[in-house]
Formats: sequence, structure tokens, C-alpha cells
Amino acid sequence: AQKITQTQPGMFVQEKEAVTLDCTYDTSDPSYGLFWYKQPSSGEMIFLIYQGSYDQQNATEGRYSLNFQKARKSANLVISASQLGDSAMYFCAMRDMNTGFQKLVFGTGTRLLVSP
Amino acid sequence: NAGVTQTPKFRILKIGQSMTLQCAQDMNHNYMYWYRQDPGMGLKLIYYSVGAGITDKGEVPNGYNVSRSTTEDFPLRLELAAPSQTSVYFCASSSDRNNEQFFGPGTRLTVL
Repeated sequence: AQKITQTQPGMFVQEKEAVTLDCTYDTSDPSYGLFWYKQPSSGEMIFLIYQGSYDQQNATEGRYSLNFQKARKSANLVISASQLGDSAMYFCAMRDMNTGFQKLVFGTGTRLLVSP
Repeated sequence: NAGVTQTPKFRILKIGQSMTLQCAQDMNHNYMYWYRQDPGMGLKLIYYSVGAGITDKGEVPNGYNVSRSTTEDFPLRLELAAPSQTSVYFCASSSDRNNEQFFGPGTRLTVL
């Protein structure tokens, strides 16, 4: 069965610094996708970035980048130049490709607090 | 586009009552999903649908039912509400199985 592990319940970072949020995954499928979502205190889920298992390069979206290390089964999110508005819960999720349906399995999340 | 909309935003139910959580999307997405998020946890899939008339169970389907009569709507029915169903419910949709899921704002349900 697929599993996502986020070992950091909370992280603190100062404004303008970079921060890495950890995510490890477990799957026996060769084809999978990895997602990061942001959940601010208002509660909505906001898609940030996606990495496919066959993608050759690490995904980047603005200040977000995904440090994908396939052999280690890790997909860490790097936020550069943190902003106060980055304070939120961050969830790593994995998609099971082989069932033919896009089912996401989520980790338990990491709460990021950005201080001035 | 309104994206994915959910109603109601908040609801309190008594044990044994029933209700329907509404979800609609205006993006013409084939895939729709219902998740629940318990306090301090990630989301767990309840049911999903790959198109009108086609639904299937996710990880935690017990106590819930769904229907998908149109592409736009994917209501979630709770029969005989129990305190264990106290949670935040999210509806999501995607255009196909390779794309990201877009989430609604959530419904916070409390069963007392």
C-alpha cells in the first residue's frame, strides 16, 4: 500500500530565508505522481507543485521547488525567500497511477510558521 | 469560473440525522472526489467518480453514499450521522487522471 510520511509536525523560519519541508513516500509502483498542497488557516487546499516519477528534472514553480530523490523515495518541498503569507499547513500527497484513477494519498502535514 | 463550490460551509447534526453535502464544479471536469480531514490529519478519500453515472469507494466509505447524475454535481449523503463523522469535508475535481485536483472550500460538520 502507498504511504506518505511527513516527520516534521512544525517548522519555523524567518522571513526571507529558505525552508525545506520533508516528505518521504513508499510505493512499489514504478509510475506515480507527487504533489504538494498548502492549506492556510482559512482552510482551503491550494495546489503548489507536481513531480512525476519519470520526470528527469526537479519541478519548480516560482518560489517553490521540489527536491526529488527517487532512490531515497523523498520529495521535499523547498520554499525560497519565505514570506509571512507562507505560514500555513503543507501537505505532501501521492497519486496512484496504476489503478487508472487519480486517487491521492496524503501525509499528515507540516505546519510552517514564518516570523518577521 | 467559480471553480469547485460546496454547501453548506458549516453544519451541526444530531446523532442519527441525515444530510447531503452539495458539491458542484463548472470546469467540465470528469473526475470528482470527496475527502474528509480529521483534526491534525491529512485528507482521506471517501468516494470518487470518473464521470456521470460512475462512482467508486475510496479509503473510508462507510456511512456515506454518493451519486453522480451530471458532470457538474457530486453530492455526498450521510445517513444516520455518528460523532465519528465530525470532520471537515472537501470536494475536489480534476480534468483527467494526470492533472492536479482543485478543491472546494470545505464543509465543517459536527455531529453531537
